[in-house]
Amino acid sequence: DADVTQTPRNRITKTGKRIMLECSQTKGHDRMYWYRQDPGLGLQLIYYSFDVKDINKGEISDGYSVSRQAQAKFSLSLESAIPNQTALYFCATRGQGASGELFFGEGSRLTVL
Amino acid sequence: GENVEQHPSTLSVQEGDSAVIKCTYSDSASNYFPWYKQELGKRPQLIIDIRSNVGEKKDQRIAVTLNKTAKHFSLHITETQPEDSAVYFCAASLGNKLTFGGGTRVLVKP
Repeated sequence: DADVTQTPRNRITKTGKRIMLECSQTKGHDRMYWYRQDPGLGLQLIYYSFDVKDINKGEISDGYSVSRQAQAKFSLSLESAIPNQTALYFCATRGQGASGELFFGEGSRLTVL
Repeated sequence: GENVEQHPSTLSVQEGDSAVIKCTYSDSASNYFPWYKQELGKRPQLIIDIRSNVGEKKDQRIAVTLNKTAKHFSLHITETQPEDSAVYFCAASLGNKLTFGGGTRVLVKP
């Protein structure tokens, strides 16, 4: 089954550490997204990408960076993690067209102590 | 940018009753409105969507209505069942960006 895979699924780290969350997909989609989920705040867009040469900031990009290494890979980095970045992070791909469905990965739960 | 408000944040219903979740959006140019369901510990998944040129869409026990003039849309679940317990998210899309509402936690009591 074509899918969206995130690693790691769970990570505990300390303030100031660099963290990378990786996402790979076998759906063949060009559009990839990183969302952050906090209780009561829904899903907030961090970054999105249409291809390896196109990276766009979302609503809450401060403190994050991304890399689109290939059509199938889109990684999210926290250069110096802080406690308020503790959250559940979702990678997603999107099908073709204006009505394309978002397909989410299983999520990466990050805890910053 | 787009802003999506979703109400209520929590909703408790008796099994068999109906549930209604409402969302408003700010950008009148938004043209696609999906709804996602997230079961406990799982990833969000699309359950129904509607385009701006349609006023209502149904799929078995769920339906979505859209009022473009008022810039609001709603999810209706009829004959609720325990498996409908989940968090539901509305979203509004313009082009490549989807903006989500804050989510509604629905609890169906047996």
